Amino acid sequence: KQEVTQIPAALSVPEGENLVLNCSFTDSAIYNLQWFRQDPGKGLTSLLLIQSSQREQTSGRLNASLDKSSGRSTLYIAASQPGDSATYLCAVRGISQGGSEKLVFGKGTKLTVNP
Amino acid sequence: KAGVTQTPRYLIKTRGQQVTLSCSPISGHRSVSWYQQTPGQGLQFLFEYFSETQRNKGNFPGRFSGRQFSNSRSEMNVSTLELGDSALYLCASTTGLAAYNEQFFGPGTRLTVL
Repeated sequence: KQEVTQIPAALSVPEGENLVLNCSFTDSAIYNLQWFRQDPGKGLTSLLLIQSSQREQTSGRLNASLDKSSGRSTLYIAASQPGDSATYLCAVRGISQGGSEKLVFGKGTKLTVNP
Repeated sequence: KAGVTQTPRYLIKTRGQQVTLSCSPISGHRSVSWYQQTPGQGLQFLFEYFSETQRNKGNFPGRFSGRQFSNSRSEMNVSTLELGDSALYLCASTTGLAAYNEQFFGPGTRLTVL
């Protein structure tokens, strides 16, 4: 059974700092990994999708890496801003028993960027 | 291009009632997935539909059901509501089979069961 863990559960940083969010998963047989952000009471916004054959993806100040063999992914945020404050969720899509290709989420990291 | 839309946005029901939630995917997307989000359990997969067929189902009781129409719009139904069904229900769509493609989420329907 795929399990996704995100550490830390919460993180508070001053504006301008570079930071790294961590995600680990137990089963390396995955199709892809996706990072989302969620603002309070809102839906999920897709940030980056990394296919299993890729090592990293970049979008603006965001860079996500994937090490499938070790079951780890990191989301790097450069020059953080107060608007980056949100909960960041990592999700992996893998093949579980019966061929179910469901997306399995971590519990998220709540990021607060202080002005 | 319009995003994923969900209706209603907020819903209050009482125990024992049933509820139907609606999801309209991004134009051209054929796969729709549903998730339940609660503070204790986080995000949990309910089911996935592709071309009107249920492809995958999560570990939820039979009170939770869904369907997809020929225009890719989807509905999910929860019968005999329980207090524990209070949650944010999120719908996501993707272009083809969900396994390979980026998922885009709607704003969710906040269901409160009293």
